[in-house]
Amino acid sequence: TQLLEQSPQFLSIQEGENLTVYCNSSSVFSSLQWYRQEPGEGPVLLVTVVTGGEVKKLKRLTFQFGDARKDSSLHITAAQPGDTGLYLCAGRLGSSNTGKLIFGQGTTLQVKP
Amino acid sequence: DTGVSQDPRHKITKRGQNVTFRCDPISEHNRLYWYRQTLGQGPEFLTYFQNEAQLEKSRLLSDRFSAERPKGSFSTLEIQRTEQGDSAMYLCASSLRAVSYNEQFFGPGTRLTVL
Repeated sequence: TQLLEQSPQFLSIQEGENLTVYCNSSSVFSSLQWYRQEPGEGPVLLVTVVTGGEVKKLKRLTFQFGDARKDSSLHITAAQPGDTGLYLCAGRLGSSNTGKLIFGQGTTLQVKP
Repeated sequence: DTGVSQDPRHKITKRGQNVTFRCDPISEHNRLYWYRQTLGQGPEFLTYFQNEAQLEKSRLLSDRFSAERPKGSFSTLEIQRTEQGDSAMYLCASSLRAVSYNEQFFGPGTRLTVL
């Protein structure tokens, strides 16, 4: 079973549309990160959220950490073809003192011009 | 500003051969991580180092896998007697221990294909 569940797994939309990607767990995370990955490359860090209820904005991207720190969402406004890629959420378990990140399975986003 | 680098970027090998990958972290980072990613999945944790000490290994890391970070700088990941199931992208990441929320920065990965 996946500790972090992302939905949807695939999303194909037209340029200009809005979308939301969800990352859910039954476990509490001390921090959660969102990455974007292009084919054949490593994940690139977009944002880190650490406080329950926290909202961060990065241009047209809005990230939210759930109040209980068990879930997060990524909202993209007016998507552009350059937003195409694999979006990954990853968290550090609240009960853990290790450095490892737990990743979701990813959401593949395709934005058509 | 140099990020995390990995070498080689691609490796094709025959089943049963040994392979070794190298990772150079961001220079001031004291933590270094290895992950494995198969097609259509998120990365899975393999192991991590704080300075030269290997602090945790995943159950995914069978006895054919070994990782080292001898001087607390670069790291190597060796796979002995490769199997077709080892085909994956091997990712390295680094972070600074002092940052409590463990922000990890990834390298470009090494794509391994075992024939």
